[in-house]
Amino acid sequence: GAVVSQHPSRVICKSGTSVKIECRSLDFQATTMFWYRQFPKQSLMLMATSNEGSKATYEQGVEKDKFLINHASLTLSTLTVTSAHPEDSSFYICSARDLIRGGEKLFFGSGTQLSVL
Amino acid sequence: KQEVTQIPAALSVPEGENLVLNCSFTDSAIYNLQWFRQDPGKGLTSLLLIQSSQREQTSGRLNASLDKSSGRSTLYIAASQPGDSATYLCAVNNNNDMRFGAGTRLTVKP
Repeated sequence: GAVVSQHPSRVICKSGTSVKIECRSLDFQATTMFWYRQFPKQSLMLMATSNEGSKATYEQGVEKDKFLINHASLTLSTLTVTSAHPEDSSFYICSARDLIRGGEKLFFGSGTQLSVL
Repeated sequence: KQEVTQIPAALSVPEGENLVLNCSFTDSAIYNLQWFRQDPGKGLTSLLLIQSSQREQTSGRLNASLDKSSGRSTLYIAASQPGDSATYLCAVNNNNDMRFGAGTRLTVKP
C-alpha cells in the first residue's frame, strides 16, 4: 500500500518552544492530508484537514494559530505546535489518501509522540 | 454528530481462539467504515475497508462485516496469534468526516 512518512517519531521540548512535525507521502501525491491527536487510551481526534495550496480546515475547538499547518506541495504537509505547553503533550499522527491506487483507504504515518516539559 | 463506540475496551484471549470485536455507530448514513490496527506508540495500519454498499470484507484471518441499518460492524479474527496483540480501531466515514472509536485493546496470550 501507499507509504506515509512522519518525522520525528518522538520529541521532547521545553515549554514555550515550537515544534514542527512533517508528514510526507512517499510514493503518491496527496492533495489532502489529515492531522489527528490522540491522548492516552482515547480515540484519535481529527484536528484539521490540510489542503495543498490553500488554507487548512480546522475542527471546532482547535486553535489555528496554535497549530499551524502548511501544505506547500503535493507530498508534504507540516504541523507546527507553536509555544508548546505541557497540555499539548500528545500523540500526533497524520494520514492521507492515495486516490489513484488506494481509493478511499486512509494511510497513516507512524505518529509523533510530543512531550512538553 | 456521529458517535462511534467499540466494545469491549479490552480483551485477553489464549492463542488459537477465534474472537469478535464490535463497533457501533449512531448515524447510519455512512460512506464507508475502516478497521485499523495500532501498535503501542505507533501509527495505524489499515486492515479492512468496507464501502457502504458492501456487507463484508475478508483478508486472511480477518473478516469484517457491516450492517448499516443497525449501525454495527464486527471484526472477526480467526485462530488468534500473539502477534495479533494490538489496539484495534474502527473509523466511520461520513462524507470525509472520519470518526474513530476508542479502540479495543487485544492481548493474545501464548
